[in-house]
Formats: sequence, C-alpha cells, structure tokens
Amino acid sequence: DAKTTQPPSMDCAEGRAANLPCNHSTISGNEYVYWYRQIHSQGPQYIIHGLKNNETNEMASLIITEDRKSSTLILPHATLRDTAVYYCIVIRAGNNRKLIWGLGTSLAVNP
Amino acid sequence: GAVVSQHPSWVICKSGTSVKIECRSLDFQATTMFWYRQFPKQSLMLMATSNEGSKATYEQGVEKDKFLINHASLTLSTLTVTSAHPEDSSFYICSALSPSGRPYNEQFFGPGTRLTVL
Repeated sequence: DAKTTQPPSMDCAEGRAANLPCNHSTISGNEYVYWYRQIHSQGPQYIIHGLKNNETNEMASLIITEDRKSSTLILPHATLRDTAVYYCIVIRAGNNRKLIWGLGTSLAVNP
Repeated sequence: GAVVSQHPSWVICKSGTSVKIECRSLDFQATTMFWYRQFPKQSLMLMATSNEGSKATYEQGVEKDKFLINHASLTLSTLTVTSAHPEDSSFYICSALSPSGRPYNEQFFGPGTRLTVL
C-alpha cells in the first residue's frame, strides 16, 4: 500500500474550516484514500474515504487532486471537539489486512 | 455503525502479573480482529491478527508467548499480557473486521485499554 505524508501539526480557529493535506504520490489506481481521526486516549474513528471523485458526508469533505497524488480533508466548521490526530491512509481495494499508520496531523482547534 | 467494546478501559497492575484485555464486537460477527499497541506520541502499531478458531498471526518483533491471543468466538477476542513489566505499559486498541459495503472490509475500532505496569 502507498505511503502517505502529512504535516505533523496544524492549528485552526473554532468555527473556521480546517484543511488537512495529505501527499500520496505513489498511489496506485486501485488504492483508496481513507481518513481516520483519533481523539486523545480513544480508538480511531473513520471519517471519510474516496477513490477519484470528491466526497462529502456529515463529518467532512474530501478533495482528491486529478492526478490522485494528494488530497485534502476539509472540516467545514471546526469545533473544539475536532481536536484530534488525523490519519490519511491509502488502502488497496479488497485488502483486509493491516493498515499502515503514520504519525498523522495533530489538529488543535482553538477557541 | 458497528460497535466494538474493550474491557477494561484502564488497568494498573504490578510487575510480573498477567493482565487480560477483552475485545467484543457488539452487533456483528467478526472472524478477524486486530490488536494494536500505541505508545505516547506515537502511531498505532499492529501487534497481531486474531482469527476465530485458529492461531493468531503475530507481527515481527512481537513475542507470541508474552502476548497471548484467544479468539474463541465470533464476537470475542482476548489479549493476555503475561508477566507484565513497566515497558509493557501502553495503550492497547483492538479492531474488528466487518463487511461494510465499502471497498474493503471495514475495521471498527474499540475505545482502547490503558495499561500501566508498576
């Protein structure tokens, strides 16, 4: 599975949009981009995933570049409860095995 | 969504004792569960893959005799840390694999267990 690169930390003001980038320049055609987050001392939580098209759900939006080498997770109106470590993971379709976790981006939402 | 529970949520034990952590899938059956370990300010590291009715598969560097895994039913996997030492203090997280309709069988994560060995 492709490796991802994320900035170690980011800050965001409460109520503003948080844009978290992820680089996955070696992604293959059958690999999906998944985003999870981990609030302090809790298990990871699924946020969103995509293949080629931009995706939106009740939690966030995912923008994937046309060449698929990078993506951005957007939290449209960040709240204090969105403070967490966000992980971008690339997963091959049909792969039921282990997920490779990087260090993610530690997002601090400030009042 | 599918729910995975862990028990206990935290445990403190003396060095040399054994500690058992339970992972349960509450509303679905999971033939495969995963056990992760996470040290402070580090990412999740997969320890082993637990398969119902068969032996667990351990990742390189993880001692199978120290971290005993039992997946006796489709809803329960247990991790026993035997003869625990302070360096085993960590946050242990399990996940359960469930068909989710997504491109790959989704892993649903438990809330984690904080182990502190004195």
